[in-house]
Order: sequence, then C-alpha cells, then structure tokens
Amino acid sequence: EADIYQTPRYLVIGTGKKITLECSQTMGHDKMYWYQQDPGMELHLIHYSYGVNSTEKGDLSSESTVSRIRTEHFPLTLESARPSHTSQYLCATWGSYGYTFGSGTRLTVV
Amino acid sequence: GQQVMQIPQYQHVQEGEDFTTYCNSSTTLSNIQWYKQRPGGHPVFLIQLVKSGEVKKQKRLTFQFGEAKKNSSLHITATQTTDVGTYFCAFGSEKLVFGKGTKLTVNP
Repeated sequence: EADIYQTPRYLVIGTGKKITLECSQTMGHDKMYWYQQDPGMELHLIHYSYGVNSTEKGDLSSESTVSRIRTEHFPLTLESARPSHTSQYLCATWGSYGYTFGSGTRLTVV
Repeated sequence: GQQVMQIPQYQHVQEGEDFTTYCNSSTTLSNIQWYKQRPGGHPVFLIQLVKSGEVKKQKRLTFQFGEAKKNSSLHITATQTTDVGTYFCAFGSEKLVFGKGTKLTVNP
C-alpha cells in the first residue's frame, strides 16, 4: 500500500549533535513538505520540494536543511541541534486530495 | 502574508452535543481544506471545498464554504468521544497555510 514513512518516531539528542530526520514515500508524488509543529499548536512550513533537485525554504525560518536526490526521499538535517529545535517535525506529500502526512518525528534536544 | 483566523481555540462539549469551528479570512480564498489531528497523532485530510456556497457532508460532519469564499465552517452533529482532536482549516495551492486549529474535547 502506498504510504509515507518517517523515522525515527521519537529522538532525544544532546546539544550540538548532527541529526537527520528521514522521510520516504511510495506514492510517487513529486511535491513534498516539511512542517514544524509544537505540541497542540499550528503547523509551520519550513521546507518544500516540487521534485528532484528542487528545494525551497518555507514561511518559517529554520536552521535545518533538506535535500531531494530521489523522488521518494526527502530527508531533513540539523547540523548542530539546540534545545530551541525541540518540536514535532511532520513530512507530507501532495496528492489529488490534499496532504498526506507521515506520523512525524518528535525531537527533543537536551 | 495571507492568514486565516480559526475560532474557537478550544471547545469542550458533552457527548451528544453539537460542535462547530469557524475559519475566517480577510481575503477571498481559492479553496479551503480541513484536517483532523488526534492527540499524539498527525493531521489527516478530511475534505476540500472549492465552490462558493459549497456544502459537503461526511456522516455527522458538515462542511461549508461561504458565498464570498472568505469563511468556512465544520459542524459535527451529536459528538462522540472519537471526535476528540484538533481540527485545522488550511488554504493554498499545493503549499498550505494552516489556521491555529480548534481543540475539541468530549466528556463522555
């Protein structure tokens, strides 16, 4: 079944560490997105991609970076994690009927 | 940039009561989408409205898009505990802007 997968589901990491959040989809969608969401709060777009080798920054400034080397893979990287990066990161694809979100990665930086 | 205001921010109801959340914009929207996020979960697409005055129903859920395409509402009839979660409206063309959401709690 076509789906979107995010790993890890939970991550606790120390300040200064480099981390990569994985997002993969088997739906064949060109358009992919990363949103940041603090618990119970609104979603903020931080990155998006409309296809291979295409990446753009979203409305919310973020120190993270993304890459899109393959259609199905859209990883997000933080070179040096800080406590202010603690949040939930949601990956999504755009299909015929709106967004399909992954289960998210809950990141805690200590 | 363009934004939508969603009200109320929180709503607590007794099971069986009705619930409505509203999404308002100062500018005309090309479309509006609604998502539901269960506690601890991720947003799930419910519906998209495109036409002025459009009304769509999904079982106990009724979605409306205003005649001026500046507001939308989601109404739940006879809430159940399974309706608990945060309901977000969102607009845009392939790059969505979300409202702040309405958090619904249901007392059994």
